[in-house]
Parts: sequence; C-alpha cells; structure tokens
Amino acid sequence: GEDVEQSLFLSVREGDSSVINCTYTDSSSTYLYWYKQEPGAGLQLLTYIFSNMDMKQDQRLTVLLNKKDKHLSLRIADTQTGDSAIYFCAEKKGGSQGNLIFGKGTKLSVKP
Amino acid sequence: EPEVTQTPSHQVTQMGQEVILRCVPISNHLYFYWYRQILGQKVEFLVSFYNNEISEKSEIFDDQFSVERPDGSNFTLKIRSTKLEDSAMYFCASSRDALTKLNYGYTFGSGTRLTVV
Repeated sequence: GEDVEQSLFLSVREGDSSVINCTYTDSSSTYLYWYKQEPGAGLQLLTYIFSNMDMKQDQRLTVLLNKKDKHLSLRIADTQTGDSAIYFCAEKKGGSQGNLIFGKGTKLSVKP
Repeated sequence: EPEVTQTPSHQVTQMGQEVILRCVPISNHLYFYWYRQILGQKVEFLVSFYNNEISEKSEIFDDQFSVERPDGSNFTLKIRSTKLEDSAMYFCASSRDALTKLNYGYTFGSGTRLTVV
C-alpha cells in the first residue's frame, strides 16, 4: 500500500546541518515534496523534486532522491532557530491529479 | 504574498451537529482541496475540486461530507452529522494548476481545528 515514513524527531545545534529522511512506497510517484509547518500556521511548500532528478539545491536546502531505494532526504545547511518546525515529506499519488500522501512529520528542534 | 484563509480557526461542536468549514482560496487559483490531520497522525487527502465539481475524493470523504463553492470566493466543507472521530485539523489548499501539469504545489491555509464533543 501507499505509505510515507519519517522519523518523528530531530534535534540539532544552531549552525549545524540538519538531515531529515523519508521513505515512500509508490514507485509511480512523479513529484516529491517537503512542507514546513510552524506552530499555528499552515503547510508551507519548501521545495519539491521531480522523480527523474537525483538532487535539487535551493539556497540552504538540498534535496536528495534515491529512486531505487525510494528514499528522500532534506538537508538544511547552517540550521537556524527559525528553522524549528515540523517538516512533512509528501508524494503525489501516481495517476492522481492532486492527492498528496503525507508522512507524519519530523519535528526539528534547533538548540542555540 | 497571497494567502489561503480559513475560518474559524477553532470550532467546537456537539456530536450529530452539522458543521461548515470555510475557506477563501487564492483568487486566481482554480483547484481546491481539503485535507485533514487527526492529532498525532498523518495529513490525509479528502477531496479535490475543479470547475465546480469534485475531481477526486478519498475513502474518508463519504456521504457525510460535501463541498461547495457557493460564490466566486468561498470554498466550504460541510460535515452533515459530526462524529467524535471527525475531530481533527482541517486544511484547505488551492493551486493554480493541477499537479499533473505544472508544479506550483499547493498553498495551504492555517487550518480549522474541529473538536466534536
């Protein structure tokens, strides 16, 4: 069945890199996404990667995709306290127009 | 930056009552969605809506649920007879294009926390 798995918690020190990992199951997924949710706020699209790409870099964010292992990661360089939030991995269900399958979210805590 | 607005932010209702959750999508967006997140669980897709009709729905979206775009700006989710298990955060989202065409991703609202007592 379809499932997206992520670890629930990650704690890093300010200035370090954070790596949030995700595994997914639908091999027909065309797009994979990372969303950020700050307390009391909605889901903010951070970045996405198309399934024919291995890597995408956007300023401090690097997304790596291993399609063979169905593994997605988000690396945040020079993590700041403002990066503390819940990060959701999501895949677009194959054949779907708009059904995203989300993970449970990884809560990132950044210590000063 | 344009936002998706949801009201109310928190609603408490008695079991069996009808509730309507309201959303104002971004004005030039054409595709509208509802998702929900039960506390501690995953964000789950409910329904997508385009051209005044449902384009896709999940198993969760049964006959108790309905969506409507009553005017040019609002997009509503109605739950006819609420159950305890409907308690969740409900997120509205909109996009300019379907994700199959161009990837703009969704813009999500801040959510409505529904508590059924």
